[in-house]
Amino acid sequence: RKEVEQDPGPFNVPEGATVAFNCTYSNSASQSFFWYRQDCRKEPKLLMSVYSSGNEDGRFTAQLNRASQYISLLIRDSKLSDSATYLCVVTEAGNNRKLIWGLGTSLAVNP
Amino acid sequence: GAGVSQSPSNKVTEKGKDVELRCDPISGHTALYWYRQSLGQGLEFLIYFQGNSAPDKSGLPSDRFSAERTGGSVSTLTIQRTQQEDSAVYLCASSLAWTSGSYEQYFGPGTRLTVT
Repeated sequence: RKEVEQDPGPFNVPEGATVAFNCTYSNSASQSFFWYRQDCRKEPKLLMSVYSSGNEDGRFTAQLNRASQYISLLIRDSKLSDSATYLCVVTEAGNNRKLIWGLGTSLAVNP
Repeated sequence: GAGVSQSPSNKVTEKGKDVELRCDPISGHTALYWYRQSLGQGLEFLIYFQGNSAPDKSGLPSDRFSAERTGGSVSTLTIQRTQQEDSAVYLCASSLAWTSGSYEQYFGPGTRLTVT
């Protein structure tokens, strides 16, 4: 089983749609969680950290369910500029300085 | 402030040659990471440096790969006797980690290496 699993997609949605991405991680001892986005042929950029209580940043909402080892990202009112690959990232169990990366979920927002 | 910078942005080299890739992290960031990403693939961890501690080299794919970090700042990744399978984008990231307990990593634009 992969340490971080994501549905690769692609997700094709119209502008204005709400889209949700899910991610599962294998080691219950992982402590920190993030969503990054990566545009085609660009470096990954931090989108948001994910906190136990859930957190929101504008149109983006992240949720963490430690019991199920599950992380989600919800994008509301999607824009063309949201088209990218979304990477789920968790810290290695026992070593918060090392990140374990999912392969990403591809999103295409269409006009 | 200035982000992570990497040089060169592109490098084309012949099989068998050595290459050096450079990373300049965000000022004050004590942790520095090297990854590589092949076309259409996920990030592959190579090595990380944390302050004055011994680096974690567990991701280096072979002994042709080495890295050093001088003065706790700039890092150089060296690939000796390059092979075609080394062709990838090499990404550097830095993090405050040690000082802040915050583990987000910030990436440079990468070096696209092509071995012909």
